[in-house]
Amino acid sequence: AQSVTQLGSHVSVSEGALVLLRCNYSSSVPPYLFWYVQYPNQGLQLLLKYTSAATLVKGINGFEAEFKKSETSFHLTKPSAHMSDAAEYFCAVSDQTGGFKTIFGAGTRLFVKA
Amino acid sequence: EAQVTQNPRYLITVTGKKLTVTCSQNMNHEYMSWYRQDPGLGLRQIYYSMNVEVTDKGDVPEGYKVSRKEKRNFPLILESPSPNQTSLYFCASSFIDGGRNNEQFFGPGTRLTVL
Repeated sequence: AQSVTQLGSHVSVSEGALVLLRCNYSSSVPPYLFWYVQYPNQGLQLLLKYTSAATLVKGINGFEAEFKKSETSFHLTKPSAHMSDAAEYFCAVSDQTGGFKTIFGAGTRLFVKA
Repeated sequence: EAQVTQNPRYLITVTGKKLTVTCSQNMNHEYMSWYRQDPGLGLRQIYYSMNVEVTDKGDVPEGYKVSRKEKRNFPLILESPSPNQTSLYFCASSFIDGGRNNEQFFGPGTRLTVL
């Protein structure tokens, strides 16, 4: 069965510092993996996705994530945080065993300090 | 503009009064889904639909109904709302790709309060 674990419900970084948001997944078959971002009072929008092509995936706003099968991880990074990155981030997994379902993690709220 | 629309955006109602939240997409997506978002729980799937007249339960379907009579529309029905259904609701749609969901496009959300 699919599952997603996001380590840390809250992460705080200083402006200009590295952003690292952790995601581990469980899937018995090659999954599709996604990171979505939710800004206050808005719906979710796609940051990036892994669909079995390159293991290092680049997304919007300077974010990237690396698919590591051996670690069942898909951590999200950004080299230098900006105040506008403050939002909630969700990792999600979809695979063929999930019955056309996408499972979302509980979310990580990112705070960026000036 | 490609989008998912939901109405209403905000709704306050009372226990037991039937309500419908509408969802419409203009991207010709096969797959549509309803989620509820509660603090600390992320998004939990209520119902989903793989195509017209094909719907299935998600993880938290109790107290909800859906229908998919047209490809573009996927309304969520609460026949007898209760306070534990107070939540933020999102509709989403996507193409289906090889037995998996591809990226989903989300509506702006409906904040429901049941008194």
